[in-house]
Amino acid sequence: DAGITQSPRHKVTETGTPVTLRCHQTENHRYMYWYRQDPGHGLRLIHYSYGVKDTDKGEVSDGYSVSRSKTEDFLLTLESATSSQTSVYFCAISGTGDLNEQFFGPGTRLTVL
Amino acid sequence: SQQGEEDPQALSIQEGENATMNCSYKTSINNLQWYRQNSGRGLVHLILIRSNEREKHSGRLRVTLDTSKKSSSLLITASRAADTASYFCATSGNTPLVFGKGTRLSVIA
Repeated sequence: DAGITQSPRHKVTETGTPVTLRCHQTENHRYMYWYRQDPGHGLRLIHYSYGVKDTDKGEVSDGYSVSRSKTEDFLLTLESATSSQTSVYFCAISGTGDLNEQFFGPGTRLTVL
Repeated sequence: SQQGEEDPQALSIQEGENATMNCSYKTSINNLQWYRQNSGRGLVHLILIRSNEREKHSGRLRVTLDTSKKSSSLLITASRAADTASYFCATSGNTPLVFGKGTRLSVIA
């Protein structure tokens, strides 16, 4: 987890409220990713970024938006949280895209009541 | 949808035994990677094998890749209790990494 932090690490919120998760890296890596992990589904890509202000959708992007205004920060926003977004969220970084390994943050456990 | 599918979903072995897990995928790839996840933690990269490689070693890990069968295997030799974790394969093609659902390995001391 060195070089990547996620905040908050745990959050409980109510349906309909906005939620923002933050990923911060100190590695100056170009690529950043947001995944969610759920039992029976493994790890699924939500959004990713290939540079400042450059983002793209992943497999499960509905209900999520992202922003990257600085190389080191990648924000994931749930505009109006739903119970189906209860999950563990992981941020990952990589230097030159998929040819290189991804490094993962410690995760954020989000519960939407 | 998942590209890689690991098999078995769960595996329980005795310490000292070898553990083998398999990954099958559907489309052409540039490389295939294996990751480990300890309970409550993020994934950690173990090994990467390129599409033009057939076998790769790293310590007690041995990875094979058969592109004609679209499959890979991860062998952990002389397993230890500390190897207890979930193992994921991830394929890299023209899209970002796609992860499988993982194999849960339990090594009993």
